[in-house]
Amino acid sequence: AQTVTQSQPEMSVQEAETVTLSCTYDTSESDYYLFWYKQPPSRQMILVIRQEAYKQQNATENRFSVNFQKAAKSFSLKISDSQLGDAAMYFCAYRSGPGGGADGLTFGKGTHLIIQP
Amino acid sequence: KAGVTQTPRYLIKTRGQQVTLSCSPISGHRSVSWYQQTPGQGLQFLFEYFSETQRNKGNFPGRFSGRQFSNSRSEMNVSTLELGDSALYLCASSAQSAPIYEQYFGPGTRLTVT
Repeated sequence: AQTVTQSQPEMSVQEAETVTLSCTYDTSESDYYLFWYKQPPSRQMILVIRQEAYKQQNATENRFSVNFQKAAKSFSLKISDSQLGDAAMYFCAYRSGPGGGADGLTFGKGTHLIIQP
Repeated sequence: KAGVTQTPRYLIKTRGQQVTLSCSPISGHRSVSWYQQTPGQGLQFLFEYFSETQRNKGNFPGRFSGRQFSNSRSEMNVSTLELGDSALYLCASSAQSAPIYEQYFGPGTRLTVT
């Protein structure tokens, strides 16, 4: 079974600074998708960024970018120019590609990101 | 376009009772997935429905069941509630079942079992 590990239960960053959240995963599959979701205090899960494993280029979405290291099974999220609205729980998630074994999204335990004004 | 809606938002039940939660996906979406979120176990996949058929199921006991209607609305049912079933239940919809399609989450239903 696939597992997702987020080793940082909590991270703190000054507003306007850059922060990197770590995520590692374990899988024997070659075709899969990786995601970062944000869950603010309202509890509504919001997709931040997605990476297809077959793509070598790291995904970027405005201030959010990932460092995808397939061989190392690492998928970190970098948030640049941190804003107060970025404060939330961040979850790393894995999903198998078509025909794969993972049912639904497999989530890590989450990282609580605090933004210091 | 309206987002995913879940009803009710909050629910208090007694151990041994049963409960039904409802999820209305985004218009045009045919896939609905359910997740359970607890402080101890985190987010866990319950099941996925696509075109009224259960496509995938997580590792949960048979007390947890679901269904999907022809309009893609989905319900999940938990019978013989246990204290450990207290959780935030999240529903997510996507246009299709394939993983390339983004899942959009609803606000969740907070279930408390006493």
